[in-house]
Formats: sequence, structure tokens, C-alpha cells
Amino acid sequence: QSVLTQPPSASGTPGQRVTISCSGSSSNIGSNYVYWYLQLPGTAPKVLIYRNNQRPSGVPDRFSGSKSGTSASLAVSGLRSEDEADYYCAAWDDSLSGVVFGGGTKLTVL
Amino acid sequence: QVQLQESGPGLVKPSETLSLTCTVSGGSVSIYLWTWIRQPPGKGLEWIANIYYNESTNFNPSLKSRVTISVDTSKNQFSLKLSSVTAADTAVYYCARGLSAGEGYFDYWGQGTLVTVSS
Repeated sequence: QSVLTQPPSASGTPGQRVTISCSGSSSNIGSNYVYWYLQLPGTAPKVLIYRNNQRPSGVPDRFSGSKSGTSASLAVSGLRSEDEADYYCAAWDDSLSGVVFGGGTKLTVL
Repeated sequence: QVQLQESGPGLVKPSETLSLTCTVSGGSVSIYLWTWIRQPPGKGLEWIANIYYNESTNFNPSLKSRVTISVDTSKNQFSLKLSSVTAADTAVYYCARGLSAGEGYFDYWGQGTLVTVSS
């Protein structure tokens, strides 16, 4: 049982916009930054969004992040086949004094 | 370009201690923070522990009693020891670099190493 809650799966057709949610609590998302990671099969995770809504250089602007209260969302617009991957949210948790991850969402491009 | 590489045994017997080392190149372990994260086969990510350049540490409460993390600046490496392992500790173990204390931002990762706990 992960501290942050994500839907196990999401899907969309090419060109569509898909959002993935991440729900937490006041000790993590409610008081700290949210991060989003993409993981392709057999590879290490890669950061997509940092500090709620910032994109590292090289990440397409098709990916965007937002946060409201104790929840966050990752939006992927203009869906492409190469976006098919697992997506994880993460945040620092003040109560645990550590990093917590969501359980991951598998995005399928139909 | 910062690169991280995990090394250590791929097979550990139950009740023994898992030991992994992460070698950092292209950057110094004397700055930033360094972390271990694991991923059981087919499951999600689990943060294990952080160690900062000043050797202060944070641990996942569920693993704290079994985890030791250390940094060796002379070798530009940091290490993980997990004691009394069981099959539940079978996972791909990643080392990663964190940019700031109190955040979940890991910008460079190793490729990961699979550790299987089995007799």
C-alpha cells in the first residue's frame, strides 16, 4: 500500500490528452513539492516534472504538472506511442522524514 | 555528465546481509545527497535511504532497523547494507543523486541491479 495513491492504469489514443492523478495528505503533497517520473520497461526512472510543475531541459512541453491541496496531476497532451510507460509521483513526507512514491500508473496508448 | 553504477552480489541467502556499492563518476559525492531506491519485480518504487554529503541520513521507517548507508569520499562511492534479508527484499536496487534535502528530486540514476534473495 503506497502512501501516495495513483490509478493503476490510464489509456488514450494518439493525439489525445490524458491526466494521471496522485493523491496524498497534508504531510506530503499538502506541504511539499511533487515530482513525476517516467519509467520505460527495463530502465531506470527519469524525472519528468520537478517542484510541482517544472520541466527539466529536454522534457517536451506536452508533459505538464499541477498541484492543488493534497493532490497532484500529470497531464500528457498530444499522446504518442512512445509515451507508453509507467508513471510515478513522489514527494517528501514530513511525518516519515522520507520520500514517498505513488504505486505507479501504467499508461497505454491504444 | 554524472554517471552512477551499482555493484554487488546478485544473489543473497535469506538471513544474510545484502551489500551494494554505487560508484559515481563525473561528479563528487561530497556535494548533493545520495539515495537508494528499490523496485520488487513487477511492483512500484520504494525509497530506502538518503545520505547527505555531511553524512547525515534519512531512512524509510519500515527498513530503518536493517539499513546502513555510508559514503566514501576517497573512492567517490556510497554504499548500502541491508541485514536479515528475506525473499521480500528481492528487487532491482537503484542508486540515485538527489538535489536537495527534503525533496523527492532524483536527477541521475544508476541502471539498477537485481538482487535475488534465495537459498
